[in-house]
Amino acid sequence: DGGITQSPKYLFRKEGQNVTLSCEQNLNHDAMYWYRQDPGQGLRLIYYSQIVNDFQKGDIAEGYSVSREKKESFPLTVTSAQKNPTAFYLCASSITGARSNYGYTFGSGTRLTVV
Amino acid sequence: DAKTTQPTSMDCAEGRAANLPCNHSTISGNEYVYWYRQIHSQGPQYIIHGLKNNETNEMASLIITEDRKSSTLILPHATLRDTAVYYCIVRVAVGNQGGKLIFGQGTELSVKP
Repeated sequence: DGGITQSPKYLFRKEGQNVTLSCEQNLNHDAMYWYRQDPGQGLRLIYYSQIVNDFQKGDIAEGYSVSREKKESFPLTVTSAQKNPTAFYLCASSITGARSNYGYTFGSGTRLTVV
Repeated sequence: DAKTTQPTSMDCAEGRAANLPCNHSTISGNEYVYWYRQIHSQGPQYIIHGLKNNETNEMASLIITEDRKSSTLILPHATLRDTAVYYCIVRVAVGNQGGKLIFGQGTELSVKP
């Protein structure tokens, strides 16, 4: 079955520590995205990548970093510079090109809590 | 970038049609309207999308006004499992490879027995 997998589902971090959230897809999608969701709020775009070895900042990239070394993988690192990292993080992927509808497939999310 | 406006919340009786409105008065001619829904603590799920014409699939129907300034998502026979937050999104184009989706606050739909 094709899909997008985020791990872990729950993650606890001490203040001052960096932490990396995993996102893997086997859908052969070119584009991948990271969103953050706070309680009662919509999704906000952190970073996105249209192709391997290239990525762009979204609306709230400060305190986060990403890499796209493989088509299947788009890990997100939450650094100690992120002032309020406790949130629900969602990864998504989509195909690109003139014939695609650019619909996104989302993972099930990682809930990060700073303790 | 085109923005969308949706009611914060709506109720619907089980078995009845749920009609969720969305305003997107600044939409550009080449921007699509997408609908997603998110059940609590899960990733959003794609429902339907359209450009100009009305669209229907196994989940819902999308009605887009002729001037494209608003649309309505219709769930024909709502069930309790349709209780979720529904997002109306206008796709923002990024270069020639397609668009990133910008999510608003959405409409919290509660389907009641």
